[in-house]
Amino acid sequence: SAVISQKPSRDICQRGTSLTIQCQVDSQVTMMFWYRQQPGQSLTLIATANQGSEATYESGFVIDKFPISRPNLTFSTLTVSNMSPEDSSIYLCSTGLGGYTFGSGTRLTVV
Amino acid sequence: EDKVVQSPLSLVVHEGDTVTLNCSYEVTNFRSLLWYKQEKKAPTFLFMLTSSGIEKKSGRLSSILDKKELFSILNITATQTGDSAVYLCAVEAGGGSNYKLTFGKGTLLTVNP
Repeated sequence: SAVISQKPSRDICQRGTSLTIQCQVDSQVTMMFWYRQQPGQSLTLIATANQGSEATYESGFVIDKFPISRPNLTFSTLTVSNMSPEDSSIYLCSTGLGGYTFGSGTRLTVV
Repeated sequence: EDKVVQSPLSLVVHEGDTVTLNCSYEVTNFRSLLWYKQEKKAPTFLFMLTSSGIEKKSGRLSSILDKKELFSILNITATQTGDSAVYLCAVEAGGGSNYKLTFGKGTLLTVNP
């Protein structure tokens, strides 16, 4: 199964700023997925990122708030823009290889 | 809208007990059901189930899927304190190239010594 390196592991950010989360996969994958897990909640899919095309966003998530890049088949970034305390969550990337392997997660706290 | 429901939401047991976690689902174009263990941030893959009635086992953990009744169970025998975690059930569904996972809320398992 794929191994995903995700960074940063955690960050504390000021409201109104932006944070970019990176995921590097050790093999080429067609699709990557970005999830949010708010405190005490389960995982919610933000968007699906295919290489070479625009990301597909789930209901309730918009590109202006969560822009995604997918420059090649092993890398993707998610930016959380204009952050507010409600964006405090764990953010996870995932691939469809090997039972949907997950990155190690980014714990974001917005103050 | 795809829906995955897990029960119980939390469970406290003593070491050595056997537990059964439940997951029911209503989705369009089912492909697979997955179980994960989440201790800190990242869920760790446990099982992927695609066929009814075939039990998957890994050590003290086992799982089975019933596609007719739309549910799965995860069994943990001889529980240990290290089994304490949130157990997540997710269903892969969709169509064409657009499959995605829908997660349940999870079961918080606490194993006391």
